[in-house]
Amino acid sequence: GAVVSQHPSWVICKSGTSVKIECRSLDFQATTMFWYRQFPKQSLMLMATSNEGSKATYEQGVEKDKFLINHASLTLSTLTVTSAHPEDSSFYICSALGGSTRRETQYFGPGTRLLVL
Amino acid sequence: QKEVEQDPGPLSVPEGAIVSLNCTYSNSAFQYFMWYRQYSRKGPELLMYTYSSGNKEDGRFTAQVDKSSKYISLFIRDSQPSDSATYLCAMEETSYDKVIFGPGTSLSVIP
Repeated sequence: GAVVSQHPSWVICKSGTSVKIECRSLDFQATTMFWYRQFPKQSLMLMATSNEGSKATYEQGVEKDKFLINHASLTLSTLTVTSAHPEDSSFYICSALGGSTRRETQYFGPGTRLLVL
Repeated sequence: QKEVEQDPGPLSVPEGAIVSLNCTYSNSAFQYFMWYRQYSRKGPELLMYTYSSGNKEDGRFTAQVDKSSKYISLFIRDSQPSDSATYLCAMEETSYDKVIFGPGTSLSVIP
């Protein structure tokens, strides 16, 4: 099946630093990728929709300047958490839409665990 | 009221039991209904996908959708310890790409 990877799988950083998370579709091209955040024992919350070659669409309440998304190619989207603070500590998961808008072809990455000290 | 509600559990059952997981929702525009399984510290994986009302069976898993009651279910027959995970229901409006997830139910299958 289709594979989506994320790098790094976990990261610890100091407050005030920026962290970049990569999401790659390994064996298919993804015009659309999604970024989610998941707090412990809570559901996935959609942060933004990333379309290749255009600006990301952010969900209400998500700060565009804090969570920078770049979808520079059909296989790579990046999420940069700028000036990270402890409250940004969470599990960040991306998903990639493979060739169709049907949900059946949304493939999730393994997630990146971010801890901000 | 949250758009999608799900009993968070935890739910603990003996191996071989039939498991019933449920979600309710408030948005009558939802047309696509999914169940995802998420192991600890991993991304979700799609288990079942159903359009509109009805049943769908795949091996030990059966998904049911009752749009009139705004209620969906996932049944797991002959549950195995490897089924221990968090199960997330998710749904989508017909013309939308945005998926709304339930909070998930934590399931433990005891050998």
